Amino acid sequence: DGGITQSPKYLFRKEGQNVTLSCEQNLNHDAMYWYRQDPGQGLRLIYYSQIVNDFQKGDIAEGYSVSREKKESFPLTVTSAQKNPTAFYLCASSVGGRIEKLFFGSGTQLSVL
Amino acid sequence: AQSVTQLGSHVSVSEGALVLLRCNYSSSVPPYLFWYVQYPNQGLQLLLKYTTGATLVKGINGFEAEFKKSETSFHLTKPSAHMSDAAEYFCAVSDRGAGSYQLTFGKGTKLSVIP
Repeated sequence: DGGITQSPKYLFRKEGQNVTLSCEQNLNHDAMYWYRQDPGQGLRLIYYSQIVNDFQKGDIAEGYSVSREKKESFPLTVTSAQKNPTAFYLCASSVGGRIEKLFFGSGTQLSVL
Repeated sequence: AQSVTQLGSHVSVSEGALVLLRCNYSSSVPPYLFWYVQYPNQGLQLLLKYTTGATLVKGINGFEAEFKKSETSFHLTKPSAHMSDAAEYFCAVSDRGAGSYQLTFGKGTKLSVIP
């Protein structure tokens, strides 16, 4: 079955450490997205990518970095510059620019030790 | 900039009662409108969407929503709540047209169903 796989399900970060969240999709979707979810705050866009080797900042990109070397993969790195990284991170994908057909992964919970 | 307001961060209903979750948007042009559902520690699943055409939209699990341009609203309803409906619900909006890559989400409404 096609879908979006996020790993790991739970991740812990030490002070000053960079961590990378994985997102893989086998839906053959062109566009991929990373959202951050905080309790009571809804979802906020971190980065998105429309095509391979291209990506744009969302509303809260500071302290995060991404790459898009393959169509099916869009990893997110939470850097040490992100001072409040504890959140639930959701990856999503869509066919081209068709935002009305957005599919989500099951998320990664990142916590700070 | 678009914004989405969901009235009530937490709504409780009895099993079998009407579910009404409220969503208002702020946009100069009627946007695309969505409702998503999220179960604990899971991703979001699309319940229904309005892009064009009939303003009353039917979705999965017996939910429906009506786009009211004059009220800038897109409230979600279900005639009879089931225990399995307990989850968090998010309203979202997007600009119309190809090339729009951003969804703006509301802060969510957590629905509890009382047996």
